[in-house]
Amino acid sequence: NAGVTQTPKFRILKIGQSMTLQCTQDMNHNYMYWYRQDPGMGLKLIYYSVGAGITDKGEVPNGYNVSRSTTEDFPLRLELAAPSQTSVYFCASTPRLAGEQFFGPGTRLTVL
Amino acid sequence: DAKTTQPPSMDCAEGRAANLPCNHSTISGNEYVYWYRQIHSQGPQYIIHGLKNNETNEMASLIITEDRKSSTLILPHATLRDTAVYYCIVGGTQGGSEKLVFGKGTKLTVNP
Repeated sequence: NAGVTQTPKFRILKIGQSMTLQCTQDMNHNYMYWYRQDPGMGLKLIYYSVGAGITDKGEVPNGYNVSRSTTEDFPLRLELAAPSQTSVYFCASTPRLAGEQFFGPGTRLTVL
Repeated sequence: DAKTTQPPSMDCAEGRAANLPCNHSTISGNEYVYWYRQIHSQGPQYIIHGLKNNETNEMASLIITEDRKSSTLILPHATLRDTAVYYCIVGGTQGGSEKLVFGKGTKLTVNP
C-alpha cells in the first residue's frame, strides 16, 4: 500500500489564484481529514469527511472547499489564494472513529 | 484551543527513558488520549492512544492517571531518531467523527 499520498509537494501561488491540493489513500478508509500547519504551530483541522459524499467543516474552513466523490480521494480547493493561506497542508485518513490517523507527507504552499 | 498542556521542550540522553508529561484536566469520559510525533516537517506519526488503562506497544508506553487528568508518554530507550515534536491530544467525537486538536507539543531533543 502507498498509504496517503499528496500532490503537489510544493507550490507557489499568486494572490487570487486558485488551485486544488490532491489527496489519495489506498487503504479503503472511510474517514479523511485536511489539516494546515503554520510555522511553529500545531495542526489545525480544515475539513473532514466520514465517507463518500459526506463532508463537514473543521476549525478553520474559511477560504477552502472540499469534495468526496470516492472513498479514495479527498481534494482540497483554494478558490482565491491569500497570503494567510501560506502553510503546510496535511491530509490524513483513518478506518475507524477512534484510532490511528495516517498522515500524508504534506504540501508546502506559499502565496505571494 | 488545545485541551492539553505540555512543556515546550525537554532533553533526554540517548539510551535513557524519555518521560513526556501531559495535562488534560478537562477531559471527558469518552475522550481518548492520543500521542503523535512529528519529525522535522514530515507528516505526524501516530504513537499510541488510550482511554483509561495504561497501554504499551512497540514504540512506547502510555500511563494515564486514575482521574484521567494527566498522562505520561514513556519512550523506554530513547535514540537520536526519537528527536521530534511530540503532541498529546485529547480526541473529541463530534458530528460523527473524531477531531484531533493539536497544540504546540513538546520538542524532545535526544542527546548523544
